[in-house]
Amino acid sequence: AQKVTQAQTEISVVEKEDVTLDCVYETRDTTYYLFWYKQPPSGELVFLIRRNSFDEQNEISGRYSWNFQKSTSSFNFTITASQVVDSAVYFCALSESFYNQGGKLIFGQGTELSVKP
Amino acid sequence: DVKVTQSSRYLVKRTGEKVFLECVQDMDHENMFWYRQDPGLGLRLIYFSYDVKMKEKGDIPEGYSVSREKKERFSLILESASTNQTSMYLCASSLFDQPQHFGDGTRLSIL
Repeated sequence: AQKVTQAQTEISVVEKEDVTLDCVYETRDTTYYLFWYKQPPSGELVFLIRRNSFDEQNEISGRYSWNFQKSTSSFNFTITASQVVDSAVYFCALSESFYNQGGKLIFGQGTELSVKP
Repeated sequence: DVKVTQSSRYLVKRTGEKVFLECVQDMDHENMFWYRQDPGLGLRLIYFSYDVKMKEKGDIPEGYSVSREKKERFSLILESASTNQTSMYLCASSLFDQPQHFGDGTRLSIL
């Protein structure tokens, strides 16, 4: 069965600290997609990144970076020099189908990040 | 930009009422989804649709039904609302090869 686990329910940091959000997944498929979404207090989930299972290169986008390791089935998300605007709930998700990555997703429980000034 | 619009941000209904939650997307997406979000449980899929007039059950379909008569509109129906259906409801849409885009959510309270 497919499953996504975000063990950290809540994280609180002070502005400018670095923070890593953990995501561990389970799947029997050899091909799949992984996603991260951000949910600010306004409620809408905002897409941040997707990775396919063939590409284990780390990705950096400004203060955000993602570390994908198939060997440990992990797809961790790091925010460098956190800011108050990063406060949100972050979800990791796994696609059910590689060939329909816009299809069914399995979501983790979410990690609520609070960045204090 | 993709726009997924949910008809209400907040809704209060009474036990036993039939409740309709509407979702409209403006980008001709094939896929549409309804989730509910509860603390500690993440997002759970209620129903989804990969085409007009097509629907499939998700992980928690009990007590819900859906309708997709037009490609841009996907309605979630609570046949007889109960207090355990108090939750945040999120609609999403996507093309088959693109990530899902979400609406702002509807916070539904059943009294």
